[in-house]
Amino acid sequence: AQKITQTQPGMFVQEKEAVTLDCTYDTSDPSYGLFWYKQPSSGEMIFLIYQGSYDQQNATEGRYSLNFQKARKSANLVISASQLGDSAMYFCAMREGYNAGNMLTFGGGTRLMVKP
Amino acid sequence: GAGVSQSPSNKVTEKGKDVELRCDPISGHTALYWYRQSLGQGLEFLIYFQGNSAPDKSGLPSDRFSAERTGGSVSTLTIQRTQQEDSAVYLCASSMTSGTQTDTQYFGPGTRLTVL
Repeated sequence: AQKITQTQPGMFVQEKEAVTLDCTYDTSDPSYGLFWYKQPSSGEMIFLIYQGSYDQQNATEGRYSLNFQKARKSANLVISASQLGDSAMYFCAMREGYNAGNMLTFGGGTRLMVKP
Repeated sequence: GAGVSQSPSNKVTEKGKDVELRCDPISGHTALYWYRQSLGQGLEFLIYFQGNSAPDKSGLPSDRFSAERTGGSVSTLTIQRTQQEDSAVYLCASSMTSGTQTDTQYFGPGTRLTVL
């Protein structure tokens, strides 16, 4: 079974509008962390936002927020006021277990295209 | 400060040749990871180093792959007798492991390997 599922291979959004990128995960470990990364066409993976399984509040970082619904095992990324520079691949990733050294498991990614 | 650096940025080799890929992590980061990104397989974990502990090699796809980390800093990923299916982008990441779930992995720009 897939541990991280991103069901939207590609999405369009109008500049200045908000967009939600979906991510669902599967784990039986009570301790886990969820990460979102952005990968522009240049190829580098840029960290955006983190949500811990024990965090009571949804994470926010500037225009990025994470809609964390633990019971549904979803961690959707919300980008407000989209900009042309937001066009990129977006990856959801999970680290299981309390040991912070565990590797990340990635979803298949969503390609976001922002229209002017 | 300086981020994770990788060299070379691009490598073209002939099937059957050996290649070495280098990663220089962020200064002070004790954990180092190698991932592979290919069209068919997405992002896959390869190997993880933490300080002086034995590396976690559970993601290496075959015994043609090996990696070492000298002096707790620079790492080299070696692929022997390259095959066409080894063609991918090899990404290195590092993190400052403080033993909590919040440790974030920061990625380098990757090495694009093409096996002819």
